[in-house]
Amino acid sequence: ETGVTQTPRHLVMGMTNKKSLKCEQHLGHNAMYWYKQSAKKPLELMFVYNFKEQTENNSVPSRFSPECPNSSHLFLHLHTLQPEDSALYLCASSQETGGIDEQYFGPGTRLTVT
Amino acid sequence: GIQVEQSPPDLILQEGANSTLRCNFSDSVNNLQWFHQNPWGQLINLFYIPSGTKQNGRLSATTVATERYSLLYISSSQTTDSGVYFCAVEPYNTNAGKSTFGDGTTLTVKP
Repeated sequence: ETGVTQTPRHLVMGMTNKKSLKCEQHLGHNAMYWYKQSAKKPLELMFVYNFKEQTENNSVPSRFSPECPNSSHLFLHLHTLQPEDSALYLCASSQETGGIDEQYFGPGTRLTVT
Repeated sequence: GIQVEQSPPDLILQEGANSTLRCNFSDSVNNLQWFHQNPWGQLINLFYIPSGTKQNGRLSATTVATERYSLLYISSSQTTDSGVYFCAVEPYNTNAGKSTFGDGTTLTVKP
């Protein structure tokens, strides 16, 4: 596979469930990102990892827990979510952070919390 | 933080028409990208253009960094151009990778 892949593409979960979103990049990049896109809103940055280290947590509630085991994989662990967390969750990667590199996005996971 | 304003918010075109989308930003930037989000939610890179002019087929973009704006030109629009166009910037002199997205321009191209 090439580019940035995300699984699953669609997810419906109850408020008491625990689930995980997975992102994998095949571009040899060192930085990975999670974004949230709610209906009728712009993308909101959630987390940034650079060389597996978290460099940005944009005041995200603790019910979202990221994990970056290596530069190619990024997870978002979800637990006790709220209906307002329903959104499109997008993963991206770039060569590094520091403002000099393009970000490439995955297709997203459309999450519905019931 | 940096403010990013895109205009117009909505645009309806007839197939074959040309259009210009604008992105204004409130501070100096390291990085500016234009994306197209298709109706299925996929964000597609159009241009990485912190300054200067680039062209790719029917699309071109110009960023005037000193005046803090960027323009995306779409010529001979097609129905497949429909979707939301986002501008994203990263403020100057930051290492955090913290891009800020504008609200987007929703383009509808009618056959």
